Amino acid sequence: QQPVQSPQAVILREGEDAVINCSSSKALYSVHWYRQKHGEAPVFLMILLKGGEQKGHEKISASFNEKKQQSSLYLTASQLSYSGTYFCGTEIEERGGADGLTFGKGTHLIIQP
Amino acid sequence: DTGVSQDPRHKITKRGQNVTFRCDPISEHNRLYWYRQTLGQGPEFLTYFQNEAQLEKSRLLSDRFSAERPKGSFSTLEIQRTEQGDSAMYLCASSLEGGGAADTQYFGPGTRLTVL
Repeated sequence: QQPVQSPQAVILREGEDAVINCSSSKALYSVHWYRQKHGEAPVFLMILLKGGEQKGHEKISASFNEKKQQSSLYLTASQLSYSGTYFCGTEIEERGGADGLTFGKGTHLIIQP
Repeated sequence: DTGVSQDPRHKITKRGQNVTFRCDPISEHNRLYWYRQTLGQGPEFLTYFQNEAQLEKSRLLSDRFSAERPKGSFSTLEIQRTEQGDSAMYLCASSLEGGGAADTQYFGPGTRLTVL
């Protein structure tokens, strides 16, 4: 069951904020966020496991709702280096985390100077 | 460099040929995953190993695809009788199984396959 990401693309000016959403029709065991630049491997950003969890990494943070069906990634005061495609990878709760990740189609983020 | 490595980085082959890719995980990681990524899409899970045991292989795309991890260290992914639709980036990831918590998967640089 592929998660749905929105928006598909975002164009921002440096210093602006962005929110990327990841939704599932089933309760999730975990949500993993990655950023991928063109021609490179996905780079791990953070993982969320608990309903209601919020966690941060410098100016990048994420939340996981209580029902464990939606996660959002927050990019604050965006920098040029934030450009790339952001993917959420999910594991559904009924499989208990013993599986590979199912990724959304990605959100393309372009930061302009 | 102590990250995940993959070899080769690029492979061009003719339709019908067999190809094999290698992945070396982060040294202490006991889980190894293979994904395929096509242009404009997220990675698609294919199979994974815990040590040398292949725990999930039902997502392999066809019986032309097979993977091994003979000694629980490096892994190979083989595609037999390649087709043009197999052209994609093949990504390997590894993680350390953490006693029930979800594991962070770290990706290698990928092998880009082009089938002519």
